[in-house]
Amino acid sequence: TQLLEQSPQFLSIQEGENLTVYCNSSSVFSSLQWYRQEPGEGPVLLVTVVTGGEVKKLKRLTFQFGDARKDSSLHITAAQPGDTGLYLCAGPGGSNYKLTFGKGTLLTVNP
Amino acid sequence: EPEVTQTPSHQVTQMGQEVILRCVPISNHLYFYWYRQILGQKVEFLVSFYNNEISEKSEIFDDQFSVERPDGSNFTLKIRSTKLEDSAMYFCASSENHPQNTGELFFGEGSRLTVL
Repeated sequence: TQLLEQSPQFLSIQEGENLTVYCNSSSVFSSLQWYRQEPGEGPVLLVTVVTGGEVKKLKRLTFQFGDARKDSSLHITAAQPGDTGLYLCAGPGGSNYKLTFGKGTLLTVNP
Repeated sequence: EPEVTQTPSHQVTQMGQEVILRCVPISNHLYFYWYRQILGQKVEFLVSFYNNEISEKSEIFDDQFSVERPDGSNFTLKIRSTKLEDSAMYFCASSENHPQNTGELFFGEGSRLTVL
């Protein structure tokens, strides 16, 4: 089973601060995805990274896939209260027909 | 924008009762999934479905669980005899591509199951 470890588990910051959350594995992934989940809702895809070393930007969010395709990071610049949520990374789970999720980082951005 | 829809949004049932959760995946998607999330815990894979059959299931998906695509649009999850520990948010998801081929999952808003 390919496991994804996310850190930190919880993060509480003030509006305007920058932050980075991490997703690590001992296994190589063909791709990794980042989702955001708000309370009482389903996860929503933010981005997919495919190529080792790839960097993708989505407004104030920057996603990076490690060169060895075993890890990924999400950096948020000038966080806003609307960024509050559970950030999940996910990857093809070793076998063919599922995505495996990490436990997530619960981010709270205080006004 | 196409979306995955789930019903009911919340169901309360007595232990031992049968429950059916319904999902309408995005119409041109080929792969369908059920995940669950116990309150405060991770999103856990239950089952995937492709070409009208189960392609993979987890150890959670025991004989009490079944899935069906009865009419080409709906995708259902049945729990035959619910247990207290089945209380969770159940998410349906669909994808156009195979997970190994960056098959991005689109999730419904979930069905909250409470077993008393």
